[in-house]
Amino acid sequence: DIQMTQSPSTLSASVGDRVTITCRASQSISRWLAWYQQKPGKAPKLLIYKASSLESGVPSRFSGSGSGTEFTLTISSLQPDDFATYYCQQYNSSPWTFGQGTKVEIK
Amino acid sequence: EVQLVESGGGLVQPGGSLRLSCAASGFTFSSYSMNWVRQAPGKGLEWVSYISSSSSTIYYVDSVKGRFTISRDNAKNSLYLQMNSLRDEDTAVYYCARIKWGDGYYYGMDVWGQGTTVTVSS
Repeated sequence: DIQMTQSPSTLSASVGDRVTITCRASQSISRWLAWYQQKPGKAPKLLIYKASSLESGVPSRFSGSGSGTEFTLTISSLQPDDFATYYCQQYNSSPWTFGQGTKVEIK
Repeated sequence: EVQLVESGGGLVQPGGSLRLSCAASGFTFSSYSMNWVRQAPGKGLEWVSYISSSSSTIYYVDSVKGRFTISRDNAKNSLYLQMNSLRDEDTAVYYCARIKWGDGYYYGMDVWGQGTTVTVSS
């Protein structure tokens, strides 16, 4: 199984900050990676697919990059609505696996 | 409106069974592969099972193989998860999710239900 490791696990930031979350795969997954945002008590929301493609309706302050085993999600200017938990997920091969999550908290 | 609505969760004793349902609307259900994903209390997301649009391909995470069965009825726009021999560690919110695809490739899960809670406890 492909293991996905996110860092950091928790991130404290202020409105307007540039935020970067890293996701590492235990083996190459090409660009078959998605990023999701989840708020408490809600279903996850797709933000980025194929490592860097922005899902329709997602603000352009979100961006993704990377390939192979190293990926990043960047929020260019953190907004109040962005405080949430973020997950990466590989869909290169079954079982599809998620990272453990990164909680973005208010500093 | 594109929508997925899960049902069927509840409290069940260890060793018991439950059948989850996911009703799809607002899109051509038969054209999409689907996943079940779960989230234990206070924990992260875990992919559980996949079914292709025609039911020809099915996958499970190892921890549920032999106990859970995914199925679908395209005529009823519905997805199912039959869960047998339930264990304490199956306690979670269960989500059904539509798999985004294009140009012959999968692109993650773009539509999610609100989730249904399964609690396994004596």
